[in-house]
Amino acid sequence: SAVISQKPSRDICQRGTSLTIQCQVDSQVTMMFWYRQQPGQSLTLIATANQGSEATYESGFVIDKFPISRPNLTFSTLTVSNMSPEDSSIYLCSVVLGSDEQFFGPGTRLTVL
Amino acid sequence: DQQVKQNSPSLSVQEGRISILNCDYTNSMFDYFLWYKKYPAEGPTFLISISSIKDKNEDGRFTVFLNKSAKHLSLHIVPSQPGDSAVYFCAASERVGGADGLTFGKGTHLIIQP
Repeated sequence: SAVISQKPSRDICQRGTSLTIQCQVDSQVTMMFWYRQQPGQSLTLIATANQGSEATYESGFVIDKFPISRPNLTFSTLTVSNMSPEDSSIYLCSVVLGSDEQFFGPGTRLTVL
Repeated sequence: DQQVKQNSPSLSVQEGRISILNCDYTNSMFDYFLWYKKYPAEGPTFLISISSIKDKNEDGRFTVFLNKSAKHLSLHIVPSQPGDSAVYFCAASERVGGADGLTFGKGTHLIIQP
């Protein structure tokens, strides 16, 4: 497995502001994903973070709201823009290693007031 | 519409007995299924997976059974231990391996009673 870290681990933000979440892996990985888990809900895939090209977004998620960067094979960021209370969730990054299973970071707990 | 369903939000089992967690899916294109375990304030941890060409996969105390015709899978934990208390998520993908994003159920909170 790999060591996956996320920063910040939690934050409380005001509506209308933006927050950038970082995901760092201790080894190079080909696939990285971003998920969110709203209270009482399942994990939902936001997008696939592609290295060197634009992220691939799932239905219901758009780049203007959730811009993603992937500058190299070990790092990615997800920004939650113009936040509202409905964006209060746990945001998780995941990576695929040689065994093909997805491994998850510890998550970022976001509360929007 | 939920494509992966875990209909039991919680399950309480006596230590040493068998825990059976169930999962149903609706998308017939799903070909690969995984179970994850999640403790509070941590990310999900991969437990075990199964591809649609198999009907059973075993790893120590954990066994996953797949009934493709019924679109149903289950995770058996035997014997159950206190450290197994966690939320268990069922997940599915249309491709074997992790190249696709996963579709998750809402989870089942397993409580192991001493």
